[in-house]
Amino acid sequence: QVQLQESGPGLVKPSETLSLTCTVSGGSISSYYWNWIRQSPGKGLEWIGYISYSGSTNYNPSLKSRVTLSVDTSKNQFSLKLSSVTTADTAIYYCARDPLSSNAFDIWGQGTMVTVSS
Amino acid sequence: IQMTQSPSSLSASVGDRVTITCRASQSISTYLNWYQQKPGKAPNLLIYAASSLQSGVPSRFSGSGSGTDFTLTISSLQPEDFATYYCQQSYSTPFTFGPGTRVDIK
Repeated sequence: QVQLQESGPGLVKPSETLSLTCTVSGGSISSYYWNWIRQSPGKGLEWIGYISYSGSTNYNPSLKSRVTLSVDTSKNQFSLKLSSVTTADTAIYYCARDPLSSNAFDIWGQGTMVTVSS
Repeated sequence: IQMTQSPSSLSASVGDRVTITCRASQSISTYLNWYQQKPGKAPNLLIYAASSLQSGVPSRFSGSGSGTDFTLTISSLQPEDFATYYCQQSYSTPFTFGPGTRVDIK
């Protein structure tokens, strides 16, 4: 069955760029939308954005100026870059699949905790 | 689109019928999904498109509603159902989630 796994540094310094990758295993990255969602105690669940297998993107306006999503179909991976981070970006970051047929997030990664601290 | 949920928490016993309400700040048709989250785990999709049961989810879970008002019902609460439940609208971006309803043991 399809599984998602986030990877990347767990600690990022303020003003630097947070970089995470989600690896899709057990299935193809094609024909779906791939999302990043984060969860912090203060703000609950927050959708960051999605990228399609073809590279089209849609970002949350609250983060749009700092977010870049990319996809590497040859590696079955997609990635998140969030620039100029502050302590407010400390959260658990999840990648998740939207199969389009349901417009819901049907498969999630286990999540990775990212702390912004000097 | 702002999503609200009520109650924010509830205490219930095994076997109880539980209903959670979700309200959208504008009409979202039936573009409403429900998730269950247990501590330390990612959310798990229960219901999509307001009333469609996700594959593998027990039939004691059901959803209803359209427009701005939605409900998630657990017909007979089981020990494994104690968790936090979130609604999420997929009508328009940015997709948004409700603040969650925590269901714990009475």
